[in-house]
Amino acid sequence: DAGVTQSPTHLIKTRGQQVTLRCSPKSGHDTVSWYQQALGQGPQFIFQYYEEEERQRGNFPDRFSGHQFPNYSSELNVNALLLGDSALYLCASRDRVVAGELFFGEGSRLTVL
Amino acid sequence: AQKITQTQPGMFVQEKEAVTLDCTYDTSDPSYGLFWYKQPSSGEMIFLIYQGSYDQQNATEGRYSLNFQKARKSANLVISASQLGDSAMYFCAMLSSASKIIFGSGTRLSIRP
Repeated sequence: DAGVTQSPTHLIKTRGQQVTLRCSPKSGHDTVSWYQQALGQGPQFIFQYYEEEERQRGNFPDRFSGHQFPNYSSELNVNALLLGDSALYLCASRDRVVAGELFFGEGSRLTVL
Repeated sequence: AQKITQTQPGMFVQEKEAVTLDCTYDTSDPSYGLFWYKQPSSGEMIFLIYQGSYDQQNATEGRYSLNFQKARKSANLVISASQLGDSAMYFCAMLSSASKIIFGSGTRLSIRP
């Protein structure tokens, strides 16, 4: 049973570019959430998707957008990249009706030059 | 406002000793969940233990236990018989009834041989 998988694991972009990160949830999970973790800090909640819609959102600008597909996989898009967007981006999945499950992927490390 | 506070930025513990990592939280939600994660230098967020706000007993998972004191709004992680492989960052997180997930700033645990 595969856990949460994310791609790519590492990527380098330049300021102003756009990036798309991908996440496949753990089998049986219908809800995906995304987090930004800057170096030395705790993860910050970006947004959460279920039933193919954004349901909750943290304090992030509209440059951060996402999508959830019918198979529950998800994408995070960041437009007009800034140097400060350099971070580890983590995806987590859970089953909305099951308490106690929130599993993370290994993350995508984005460097913006 | 909801908040997670981890007051210990770093801790050093001798191998085989027990260690307690502190976590306090603030929420007005009657229903919430508390998680602990371990993050080694590789970046992956590894699930350790979960406590629901209505759970009567403290959660345990192998060498991990959660000392849940609801009235004091604390959810400390206890690791018994620490091992060298326990050296990592540890994060406390809360899932609110609004399905937002917030993390503390983390504690860096170092185990001395």
